[in-house]
Amino acid sequence: QVQLQQSGAELVKPGSSVKISCKASGYTFTSYDMHWIKQQPGNGLEWIGWIYPGNGNTKYNQKFNGKATLTADKSSSTAYMQLSSLTSEDSAVYFCARSDGYNRFAYWGQGTLVTVSS
Amino acid sequence: DTVLTQSPALAVSPGERVTISCRASESVSTLMHWYQQKPGQQPTLLIYLASNLESGVPARFSGSGSGTDFTLTIDPVEADDTATYYCQQSWNDPLTFGSGTKLEIK
Repeated sequence: QVQLQQSGAELVKPGSSVKISCKASGYTFTSYDMHWIKQQPGNGLEWIGWIYPGNGNTKYNQKFNGKATLTADKSSSTAYMQLSSLTSEDSAVYFCARSDGYNRFAYWGQGTLVTVSS
Repeated sequence: DTVLTQSPALAVSPGERVTISCRASESVSTLMHWYQQKPGQQPTLLIYLASNLESGVPARFSGSGSGTDFTLTIDPVEADDTATYYCQQSWNDPLTFGSGTKLEIK
């Protein structure tokens, strides 16, 4: 069965960077886009962007250009998202989600909580 | 960006029929999907392409609409349906989600 296992919670300082991971199993990692989605406490969902692990192509929500960098390691079937120049506005739960046809998300990771605090 | 507007909250009794609406600021054709999210969990896909029931989702859930107006219907509602429901469009870039409708079962 398809599983997306995300890395654990992070407590990071303002101005620093963090890299979170999403390890995929149960399907061919290189055949599906992997998306990342942000959810701030008590708030809705915000799409960050996607990466196609087959060739490394990426697309970002313009709002996250310069903030998020998506990468993927085919050898370990793991997708990564690095967030840079962190501020309190980046404190959120971040989800990875596999895109099926028409960019619908049938499979999600469990979420990674990132807390930005000094 | 395409703004998806949902009513913030609804409260219904078990066994009733509930409709949750999602209005798009511009047409999204039928590329609208619906998710359920319970506290502390990831969202789960209920309906895709406006009206298609995701595998494993009870037939009590259904969706309809096209263009700018969409509806998720739960009939009959059960206590376990307490959750926040989000719509998501994938017709326009960037992908966007509604702000969510919190459903309370009385």
